Amino acid sequence: DTEVTQTPKHLVMGMTNKKSLKCEQHMGHRAMYWYKQKAKKPPELMFVYSYEKLSINESVPSRFSPECPNSSLLNLHLHALQPEDSALYLCASSQLTSGRRTGELFFGEGSRLTVL
Amino acid sequence: EDQVTQSPEALRLQEGESSSLNCSYTVSGLRGLFWYRQDPGKGPEFLFTLYSAGEEKEKERLKATLTKKESFLHITAPKPEDSATYLCAVQDYGGSQGNLIFGKGTKLSVKP
Repeated sequence: DTEVTQTPKHLVMGMTNKKSLKCEQHMGHRAMYWYKQKAKKPPELMFVYSYEKLSINESVPSRFSPECPNSSLLNLHLHALQPEDSALYLCASSQLTSGRRTGELFFGEGSRLTVL
Repeated sequence: EDQVTQSPEALRLQEGESSSLNCSYTVSGLRGLFWYRQDPGKGPEFLFTLYSAGEEKEKERLKATLTKKESFLHITAPKPEDSATYLCAVQDYGGSQGNLIFGKGTKLSVKP
């Protein structure tokens, strides 16, 4: 069983909707991530939070807005998405050692997003 | 530029037929090489970390090894439940800001 919980598992939204993806972990990890994965492709990094502060934004369009309310929670707010944004969105967490993120990521099961 | 190449793209095995998956990499300074397993529609599951050439890690039927240019994931006497996509990723000390660089994966199918 994964220790990173993502909700909802499936989401269908129109291009004018506003929705949010949620992620929670209780492993005490201080780094949290959002990845996007298309079919038959590896995960693609979107955002990284370290100590609840946004540390990396991989040039993601502003229609994706991340939020880290506390060390256990991570949200991804979605607005005015395009059909090409349909994908599996993965949340992950990892430890920080001497301020550096480890490569041992723990992923949630993902939220399957379909944009109509 | 950091690169990770996995081969083959897909591998079909009979149950009990041992084989290896390859991950070749180019990084300025290797901080770690990681293997993940991903089942369809699920998030990747961490398997192994390797830090230096010559290192080996084992877990059940899987054994990961590392050289200065590549890593192998050896699967001994696989079972159908080993069917999944296996992802290799590297982390370097250089310009990728500590982010993982993933290969495209090897899709393994094990038939009974």
